[in-house]
Amino acid sequence: KQEVTQIPAALSVPEGENLVLNCSFTDSAIYNLQWFRQDPGKGLTSLLLIQSSQREQTSGRLNASLDKSSGRSTLYIAASQPGDSATYLCAAAVSGTYKYIFGTGTRLKVLA
Amino acid sequence: SQTIHQWPATLVQPVGSPLSLECTVEGTSNPNLYWYRQAAGRGLQLLFYSVGIGQISSEVPQNLSASRPQDRQFILSSKKLLLSDSGFYLCAWSDRTGRPTGELFFGEGSRLTVL
Repeated sequence: KQEVTQIPAALSVPEGENLVLNCSFTDSAIYNLQWFRQDPGKGLTSLLLIQSSQREQTSGRLNASLDKSSGRSTLYIAASQPGDSATYLCAAAVSGTYKYIFGTGTRLKVLA
Repeated sequence: SQTIHQWPATLVQPVGSPLSLECTVEGTSNPNLYWYRQAAGRGLQLLFYSVGIGQISSEVPQNLSASRPQDRQFILSSKKLLLSDSGFYLCAWSDRTGRPTGELFFGEGSRLTVL
């Protein structure tokens, strides 16, 4: 059974710092790994999708990497801003199914 | 472009009352459709998913049910709500053209409070 873990659960950093969010999954048999952002009381917004054959994806200040063999993905945020404050979730698409399994998220606060 | 609509956005219901949450996707055809629940301070729990009209897979045994009467419509229902049904319900879709699962997109969510 696929399990997805995100560490840390919460993170508070000063503006301008580069930071890394971690996502671990127990079963390497995945189609893809996706990172989302969730603002309080809102739905999830897709940030980056990494296919199982890819190693990383970039969008602006965001870079996500995938290491299937070790069951890890990281989301790198460069030059953090207060507007980056949100909860970040990762989800693994389980091979052989139509399911996406989510981590519990990292709540990020960027201080001005 | 594709959009996903979910309603109602907020509702407060008494214990034992029925529930109907609706989700509609526009701009795509034959999507995979999903219902997730997010309890306060917790991750997303997959409740139901559907890969076609009338095809529903249930992940969690409970007093909720789902239906897909049309290709782009997904409905979450209950005949009698429990206090434990309170939470934030999220509908999502993915395009599976050429593969079982693609990028996942979410609606804005429906916050249910059962009193």
